[in-house]
Amino acid sequence: AQSVAQPEDQVNVAEGNPLTVKCTYSVSGNPYLFWYVQYPNRGLQFLLKYITGDNLVKGSYGFEAEFNKSQTSFHLKKPSALVSDSALYFCAVYAGNNRKLIWGLGTSLAVNP
Amino acid sequence: DAGVIQSPRHEVTEMGQEVTLRCKPISGHNSLFWYRQTMMRGLELLIYFNNNVPIDDSGMPEDRFSAKMPNASFSTLKIQPSEPRDSAVYFCASSWDRSPMNTEAFFGQGTRLTVV
Repeated sequence: AQSVAQPEDQVNVAEGNPLTVKCTYSVSGNPYLFWYVQYPNRGLQFLLKYITGDNLVKGSYGFEAEFNKSQTSFHLKKPSALVSDSALYFCAVYAGNNRKLIWGLGTSLAVNP
Repeated sequence: DAGVIQSPRHEVTEMGQEVTLRCKPISGHNSLFWYRQTMMRGLELLIYFNNNVPIDDSGMPEDRFSAKMPNASFSTLKIQPSEPRDSAVYFCASSWDRSPMNTEAFFGQGTRLTVV
């Protein structure tokens, strides 16, 4: 079955430290991978995507993600966290000819001042 | 563009009542998605329209739920009759779907539905 896993419900990091939010996937065919962020009482906002090409993808607000085919992972990273990065982060994947995005359950990121 | 616009932002209704959620997608987008978000099940795709035509409604929970897209600028999600377990945040999203796997979606701010 095709799936996306975000193994951590919550990630805590101090402001200024690097952050990583993990995502692994299981799909048939080539994956198309996305990260979205949700701030409180708001809809989801697109951060970045991997379709093809360079495995390191840069996105909005200084975030980046690395596609690792052998580990079937697409972890979200940022070199220096801000308190304003505190939000809910979702990983999602399209697989094969399925036009339906498969979503992870989300990871709550808390950046402490 | 004002983005995806959903109304109402909050809805409280009694069990058994009909509820209609509304969505105006971004002008020029040709795909529209209705999602439901709950703590228990996370984000679930309910239905997906392309060029106003429902493409995949396999996520619609049951016959009490129905969705329409009469034109490119408007969609509704209706629940009749509503039940307490329908309480959730409902999101509408749209995208320019030339190649759906390649295109990110833009989300509205959601409608928080509470059925008492």
